[in-house]
Amino acid sequence: GAGVSQSPSNKVTEKGKDVELRCDPISGHTALYWYRQSLGQGLEFLIYFQGNSAPDKSGLPSDRFSAERTGGSVSTLTIQRTQQEDSAVYLCASGQGGETQYFGPGTRLLVL
Amino acid sequence: EDQVTQSPEALRLQEGESSSLNCSYTVSGLRGLFWYRQDPGKGPEFLFTLYSAGEEKEKERLKATLTKKESFLHITAPKPEDSATYLCAVPAGGTSYGKLTFGQGTILTVHP
Repeated sequence: GAGVSQSPSNKVTEKGKDVELRCDPISGHTALYWYRQSLGQGLEFLIYFQGNSAPDKSGLPSDRFSAERTGGSVSTLTIQRTQQEDSAVYLCASGQGGETQYFGPGTRLLVL
Repeated sequence: EDQVTQSPEALRLQEGESSSLNCSYTVSGLRGLFWYRQDPGKGPEFLFTLYSAGEEKEKERLKATLTKKESFLHITAPKPEDSATYLCAVPAGGTSYGKLTFGQGTILTVHP
């Protein structure tokens, strides 16, 4: 079946611009997660949505980062006023609400 | 604070040369340990979940084991296509069921 999809696959932007990254989870999965992967930093948790519960935003690095999940399905991660240190691979994962998370291919963000 | 440490950082093997990767963890109340494989330019691919000390799981040339303090990923007679970064992760303690804490990964290279 279809896995987690993310778009765009690559994004180049200028410092100070806003970007939106999209995630389409596996159909029927109630949980959706965003992570960031940087060289030398490993995978860092950003935010977690589970059903209709309030999201766990404890990993968002600053108030420039926000995420929404519409209709319990598609999610958008928004980074405002991008900085060069935001350059990374942004990974989305989905799951049934248990522990196993299935990852998408990621969006590679480069801030010039 | 939850911690996951993987060793070695990088491992080079000849085809057919068996070895093991280590994942040490510190977490309050382990609720599972996950192994993922990540190929360059792709998202992590789920391999195994282990829930309790003594548990073992196998998939092709890979076998994962778990103790109270660490997990091992044993690779038997590896092939070049097993070359990848192997990541382990644990769910956060407390009530944050969604957040996974990842190790830095082991980069495995298998030479023909």
